[in-house]
Amino acid sequence: DAGITQSPRYKITETGRQVTLMCHQTWSHSYMFWYRQDLGHGLRLIYYSAAADITDKGEVPDGYVVSRSKTENFPLTLESATRSQTSVYFCASSESRYTQYFGPGTRLTVL
Amino acid sequence: EDQVTQSPEALRLQEGESSSLNCSYTVSGLRGLFWYRQDPGKGPEFLFTLYSAGEEKEKERLKATLTKKESFLHITAPKPEDSATYLCAGNYGGSQGNLIFGKGTKLSVKP
Repeated sequence: DAGITQSPRYKITETGRQVTLMCHQTWSHSYMFWYRQDLGHGLRLIYYSAAADITDKGEVPDGYVVSRSKTENFPLTLESATRSQTSVYFCASSESRYTQYFGPGTRLTVL
Repeated sequence: EDQVTQSPEALRLQEGESSSLNCSYTVSGLRGLFWYRQDPGKGPEFLFTLYSAGEEKEKERLKATLTKKESFLHITAPKPEDSATYLCAGNYGGSQGNLIFGKGTKLSVKP
């Protein structure tokens, strides 16, 4: 039972490059979320999806793009990475809008 | 604005020394109060959901309670393996259904 997985777990990139973080869940949950976690800010929502092909912005969406063509996958793309996007990124899923289950995270460093 | 505030930021306990972590929240619109545990380098792990004042839930040495404006996570006779950051989050419903997280309490339990 894999649950929810993220890849890569660690990524180093350079300013201006495009980066895609992957999220996959095996529960067939309807809702999926992307958060970033930074010291002093806690976890903040970037984007969320209520179902395949339905996505919406969260608190800090600028510079990020998401898609959801299949229920189980929810990739997050940084179109042109900036140093301020250095963070730990967590994907989460939920069957309802309430209890969310988190993946192990991706630590992204933008040089 | 929705807000979840946790205190203290850090707590050091001796093994067996019981204590409580606090989470105060904006009352208006709350649809659920969540507690998560986060170990270093890992994603948040779901512990409890509380929906109404007076509700209590227990798991091993942890008990979560909810009043009309606060939630407490009581830790009874903690062990070193209880060391982690504990996150409180409020769900305020709406179209997003996302969680508003506090900044967490880092608990250290010394043997």
